[in-house]
Amino acid sequence: EAGVAQSPRYKIIEKRQSVAFWCNPISGHATLYWYQQILGQGPKLLIQFQNNGVVDDSQLPKDRFSAERLKGVDSTLKIQPAKLEDSAVYLCASSLVLGGGTGELFFGEGSRLTVL
Amino acid sequence: GENVEQHPSTLSVQEGDSAVIKCTYSDSASNYFPWYKQELGKRPQLIIDIRSNVGEKKDQRIAVTLNKTAKHFSLHITETQPEDSAVYFCAARAGSGNTGKLIFGQGTTLQVKP
Repeated sequence: EAGVAQSPRYKIIEKRQSVAFWCNPISGHATLYWYQQILGQGPKLLIQFQNNGVVDDSQLPKDRFSAERLKGVDSTLKIQPAKLEDSAVYLCASSLVLGGGTGELFFGEGSRLTVL
Repeated sequence: GENVEQHPSTLSVQEGDSAVIKCTYSDSASNYFPWYKQELGKRPQLIIDIRSNVGEKKDQRIAVTLNKTAKHFSLHITETQPEDSAVYFCAARAGSGNTGKLIFGQGTTLQVKP
């Protein structure tokens, strides 16, 4: 079974530039999550989708971050303009059911962003 | 707001010894508590989880205990091996339903010395 795919794996940009990350969840998984993992910290949820609808985006800095999941399959996360504090690994995860309550969260390998 | 505290932040044990990692959570309505293992540069992977209607769960050398009254849960690894070395994250699902997000702890770096 193919896992959660993410790209790019690594990205280095200057502050105030923009960047986009892509995620393709496991086939058939309705729920998709974007987490931000800053070095030395646990993952923090940015946004959660159920199919193509947003379930939770309460911790998404909406002045600079945006995400979409057109057609309820793959998703993109965009940062514009980037700040130094956005340097982190952006993890995408998917699960069969909402909230992962009766199903496991499967994570992708992550996209490591460095903002200079 | 919802919060999960994890201790210790680092843990070093000799091969064959036991390791214990503890987490406390703030949302008394939380009902699902998974543990993830993350090796260096790799993705987090679920190793065990427990629901609020169960006090303990075991899977070979790994066990998790839950004390809902005290709002804390622990991961126990027995007979540790060098391949157990990794960062371990606990998490708690926010809210009482099936829709809440997972709130993660800060992580514990476990080092198992051969």
